[in-house]
Amino acid sequence: GNSVTQMEGPVTLSEEAFLTINCTYTATGYPSLFWYVQYPGEGLQLLLKATKADDKGSNKGFEATYRKETTSFHLEKGSVQVSDSAVYFCALSLYNFNKFYFGSGTKLNVKP
Amino acid sequence: EAQVTQNPRYLITVTGKKLTVTCSQNMNHEYMSWYRQDPGLGLRQIYYSMNVEVTDKGDVPEGYKVSRKEKRNFPLILESPSPNQTSLYFCASSLRITNHEQFFGPGTRLTVL
Repeated sequence: GNSVTQMEGPVTLSEEAFLTINCTYTATGYPSLFWYVQYPGEGLQLLLKATKADDKGSNKGFEATYRKETTSFHLEKGSVQVSDSAVYFCALSLYNFNKFYFGSGTKLNVKP
Repeated sequence: EAQVTQNPRYLITVTGKKLTVTCSQNMNHEYMSWYRQDPGLGLRQIYYSMNVEVTDKGDVPEGYKVSRKEKRNFPLILESPSPNQTSLYFCASSLRITNHEQFFGPGTRLTVL
């Protein structure tokens, strides 16, 4: 089947620390991969995406590389800020299934 | 402003009382979808629609109905709500299914007593 697995949270970091949130996937076909962010009390917003193997998505200092050989799409940021505190969701879409699949979400807390 | 709107934002109801949560987008998107968000489970897709009059089940469709009579609207109907449908619901839309960003509504928090 198709699924997304994320590391469990919460992840608590100090400001300016390095962030990695792990995401691996299982897909029957060639998915597009996404990271979404959800700030408290809001809906999800697209953070970055990658549509084929070895693509790197980046936005607002966040990066993730589509690794087909390890079926992974880990999210990284070199220096987190308090304003990055949110829940992060890894997701995939498959054209032939017409669906999106989301991970369970990872809550990030950044302390000053 | 491009957006997805949902109403109501908050709803408390009782078991068995039919309800509808509305969703509307102003971006002329073909693809629309409903999700529920539960702690530890992330977002699970309930129903989706590829275009007008084309709908299909997601991963957790039991107890829900949808319709897509117009491109901009995609209401979620709970004919006989039960307490296990207490959840946070999100509507989303995108231009098409693959490679395209989904735009999410602000969410509807539903409590079924």
